[in-house]
Amino acid sequence: GAGVSQSPRYKVTKRGQDVALRCDPISGHVSLYWYRQALGQGPEFLTYFNYEAQQDKSGLPNDRFSAERPEGSISTLTIQRTEQRDSAMYRCASSEEAGAYNEQFFGPGTRLTVL
Amino acid sequence: AQSVTQLGSHVSVSEGALVLLRCNYSSSVPPYLFWYVQYPNQGLQLLLKYTSAATLVKGINGFEAEFKKSETSFHLTKPSAHMSDAAEYFCAVRNTGFQKLVFGTGTRLLVSP
Repeated sequence: GAGVSQSPRYKVTKRGQDVALRCDPISGHVSLYWYRQALGQGPEFLTYFNYEAQQDKSGLPNDRFSAERPEGSISTLTIQRTEQRDSAMYRCASSEEAGAYNEQFFGPGTRLTVL
Repeated sequence: AQSVTQLGSHVSVSEGALVLLRCNYSSSVPPYLFWYVQYPNQGLQLLLKYTSAATLVKGINGFEAEFKKSETSFHLTKPSAHMSDAAEYFCAVRNTGFQKLVFGTGTRLLVSP
């Protein structure tokens, strides 16, 4: 596709349920990033991949959060046993390769609401 | 640790007026700096980036920013605001060896006719 896509765009779930958020990066992009953005805040780093390898997961808040990118393309962010504090916009980004100057292209985000 | 401070959660200007959005960074080494814009229901879009090639950086839509090491600042400016500039603007920093972007809390720009 032309840009980064994410699905679903909106997800409402009940506390305690598991959710899976999907990110489809720009074709050919090596690096993929996940961020979380709370209301009124800037995006906050969660994790990133080069190809299928998870290079940094230091931003994942706890072990209920996990991410994978098994074939080096599409990525899934999974939140188990969701809690109300998990409600936020989850943003995915991709870049041609890892590098401090490389532009990260962002998707539209998935707005997660946990009731 | 690297961080970014954006002064002013909201900035209001009249159409045609100067736009100035402030960003100060904290970094132990010379950083890479970015400005992103977010329109409603859209993803973040890169406006411009500083990568040490030149201290005055020109971006899209007439925006520019100047890196001032002595002031640890990277303020975003535009000489004449347009209604279509109304959006939220985020400053971000990224250090060599680190892949993550560290964002400020954002500034919402309001443009009145």
